[in-house]
Amino acid sequence: DAGITQSPRHKVTETGTPVTLRCHQTENHRYMYWYRQDPGHGLRLIHYSYGVKDTDKGEVSDGYSVSRSKTEDFLLTLESATSSQTSVYFCAISEGQGSGNTIYFGEGSWLTVV
Amino acid sequence: QQQVKQSPQSLIVQKGGISIINCAYENTAFDYFPWYQQFPGKGPALLIAIRPDVSEKKEGRFTISFNKSAKQFSLHIMDSQPGDSATYFCAASMRGAQKLVFGQGTRLTINP
Repeated sequence: DAGITQSPRHKVTETGTPVTLRCHQTENHRYMYWYRQDPGHGLRLIHYSYGVKDTDKGEVSDGYSVSRSKTEDFLLTLESATSSQTSVYFCAISEGQGSGNTIYFGEGSWLTVV
Repeated sequence: QQQVKQSPQSLIVQKGGISIINCAYENTAFDYFPWYQQFPGKGPALLIAIRPDVSEKKEGRFTISFNKSAKQFSLHIMDSQPGDSATYFCAASMRGAQKLVFGQGTRLTINP
């Protein structure tokens, strides 16, 4: 168990509504990530954080925003959910001591936008 | 654009056989190549990883073969077992970076 808790684990929401997914870690790791997993695309990075209030975009960041006000929490917000954002979202963490440091994943949040 | 291309998308192997999953990359700045294993309903978990200064790494029944000149790497699972049935992802990261680029995934089924 990598000490990562994602909430909610499952959510159904309507198109146009805001949605926030939360990731909480107990490992005090510097780096936190949000990935989405879709069939045929593998895992794609949405946003990541390298410290409190330090975030950067990944390869599929459009329509998403993030915030990290504490080391242990990383929030992913869909400002106005669309059907194309139906996906499984994974939070991940890493100690961040250079490339090659293991990235640990949470158990995922299943989001359906209807 | 897919920086890491993985094949096949799905694979069925008989128990005791060898499972082989292949990945190819284009960016020569990549210097770390992990494989992740994911069971249904769970998050991916690191299985084995390699750096480009070695051509092979073995951990138990799992082996990564790395061909730097061809920019390809592969996962071999020897004596495949039904418990190995899962989705496998190859990935890569760049020197100095702390984020992974993943392949599309391979759904492996081991028939008893």
